[in-house]
Amino acid sequence: RKEVEQDPGPFNVPEGATVAFNCTYSNSASQSFFWYRQDCRKEPKLLMSVYSSGNEDGRFTAQLNRASQYISLLIRDSKLSDSATYLCVVSGMGGKLIFGQGTTLQVKP
Amino acid sequence: NAGVTQTPKFQVLKTGQSMTLQCAQDMNHNSMYWYRQDPGMGLRLIYYSASEGTTDKGEVPNGYNVSRLNKREFSLRLESAAPSQTSVYFCASSEILAKNIQYFGAGTRLSVL
Repeated sequence: RKEVEQDPGPFNVPEGATVAFNCTYSNSASQSFFWYRQDCRKEPKLLMSVYSSGNEDGRFTAQLNRASQYISLLIRDSKLSDSATYLCVVSGMGGKLIFGQGTTLQVKP
Repeated sequence: NAGVTQTPKFQVLKTGQSMTLQCAQDMNHNSMYWYRQDPGMGLRLIYYSASEGTTDKGEVPNGYNVSRLNKREFSLRLESAAPSQTSVYFCASSEILAKNIQYFGAGTRLSVL
């Protein structure tokens, strides 16, 4: 079993749609959780950290469920510019980060 | 704001050749990392340096060596390149190992023929 699992997609949605991605992780001792965004052939960039209480940043909402060991990302009112790969990231042993393989989102006009 | 700078951006090698990928950060970060990214797989940690003067193996260290030259610079060396090392390599840095937000360089696309 992979330490961090994501549905690779692609998720094809029209502009204005709401889309949600889930990610599961195997290490119950993980303490830090993130969503990174990666555009085609570019480097990953931090989208947002994920907190136990849930957090929102504009159109993006992240949730953490420690009991079930999953993380979610909700994008409302999708824009063409949201098209990218979204990486679920979880802290592992020694503070290192474990990256999921990513979920690809394509927003269509 | 340079952030994390990697050189070169592209490289083609023949099997058995050696090369060094360079990485430098200007954010005064203590920790630095080297990852590789292959299609259909997440980023995999090759080596990391928690602080100046220390280096440790990550998930896929075989075939690579690293040097933490100073606080700013962390290089990755392929002593005898193999086709299996064809990949995109990313360098990253973070304030400290346990403060996990990492900032990435633009990557090096390496092909080994």
